[in-house]
Amino acid sequence: GENVEQHPSTLSVQEGDSAVIKCTYSDSASNYFPWYKQELGKGPQLIIDIRSNVGEKKDQRIAVTLNKTAKHFSLHITETQPEDSAVYFCAATDTQGAQKLVFGQGTRLTINP
Amino acid sequence: EPEVTQTPSHQVTQMGQEVILRCVPISNHLYFYWYRQILGQKVEFLVSFYNNEISEKSEIFDDQFSVERPDGSNFTLKIRSTKLEDSAMYFCASRPNSQETQYFGPGTRLLVL
Repeated sequence: GENVEQHPSTLSVQEGDSAVIKCTYSDSASNYFPWYKQELGKGPQLIIDIRSNVGEKKDQRIAVTLNKTAKHFSLHITETQPEDSAVYFCAATDTQGAQKLVFGQGTRLTINP
Repeated sequence: EPEVTQTPSHQVTQMGQEVILRCVPISNHLYFYWYRQILGQKVEFLVSFYNNEISEKSEIFDDQFSVERPDGSNFTLKIRSTKLEDSAMYFCASRPNSQETQYFGPGTRLLVL
């Protein structure tokens, strides 16, 4: 089955700098890759997603890139702000069938003022 | 904006007791999921539910687990005889037929003593 690996497990950046989180997946059938942000005491909230027919997607300060050949995808946050501090999870799924999400281990991002 | 809700937010139970975790998915969604997150570990898929039946379940989802949609709004996860290792955060998620995006609830933190 699918396995998703996420790095780094913790990341600390200065406010205003960029943050990059990377994930790799194993199943070439996976074709949908969401990123979730989890704040303390809350459930995961979708922040951006990408489908396998697209190489890059951007939404304001957040962007995701996908390399299908290498089976990796990355989250890029630019001009980081204190409210970006949270745990970020990548996930992968094959949109055929039940579409269970397989998650990475999570990255705890801390933005230092 | 519609949200997935879960009750209770916290549950403490004795080993061997039955617990029922409740979820109210977003009203026009047709696919429902349970995931769990043991402290410090990945979010793991438990089960997916569509058209009043289980569409996929993981190895974790053994005979002590069951799901039910008893009415048009609630989606429940029952653990018949809890074990210490069932202590985790349990997340419910739902999605509409037309989207891959899964929307997560805030979770129920289950502690088995």
